[in-house]
Amino acid sequence: NAGVTQTPKFQVLKTGQSMTLQCAQDMNHEYMSWYRQDPGMGLRLIHYSVGAGITDQGEVPNGYNVSRSTTEDFPLRLLSAAPSQTSVYFCASRYTGKGEQYFGPGTRLTVT
Amino acid sequence: GENVEQHPSTLSVQEGDSAVIKCTYSDSASNYFPWYKQELGKGPQLIIDIRSNVGEKKDQRIAVTLNKTAKHFSLHITETQPEDSAVYFCAASITGNQFYFGTGTSLTVIP
Repeated sequence: NAGVTQTPKFQVLKTGQSMTLQCAQDMNHEYMSWYRQDPGMGLRLIHYSVGAGITDQGEVPNGYNVSRSTTEDFPLRLLSAAPSQTSVYFCASRYTGKGEQYFGPGTRLTVT
Repeated sequence: GENVEQHPSTLSVQEGDSAVIKCTYSDSASNYFPWYKQELGKGPQLIIDIRSNVGEKKDQRIAVTLNKTAKHFSLHITETQPEDSAVYFCAASITGNQFYFGTGTSLTVIP
């Protein structure tokens, strides 16, 4: 049982480049989410999904796209990276209706 | 949206002493309040949570209290140990789909 996995661990992008952060979970959780963590600002919700085919915006969705074609995977896409998107990104999952979220190990993204 | 404030931002205690971290929230509809511990280079991990129909919850050396009237909740760690050193985050949720986090408390336990 690998839990929540994220790839890559580290990534450096140039302004304007695009990329996809991968997230997968093997716990059959319906709910999955993406957060960004910036110094002094805690974690902020970007997008979340309550099941395959269903996504919704969180607190800071601008500049990010998501889709959920399977229960296991929830990729986060940056279409045109900006320096303001330099951050550590965490994916999380849980059973719908139950509180505990399980977080992945994070992806550290730097946009130059 | 919900606004969660967390204090203090840093906390140093002697091993064996107690540590208290406090959070306030703005939306009275919030009904679920988890606490997370984040060690260096890792993702946050749930350590305890409380729902709005309960005033206090305890799990060994960790306890959380909730005051709905004042809209604040606190994490209490007793008999602190060096392995308790980490960053702690509080959070609040109304629907269980959107979570709002505090800005974190860096706890250092001095041996």
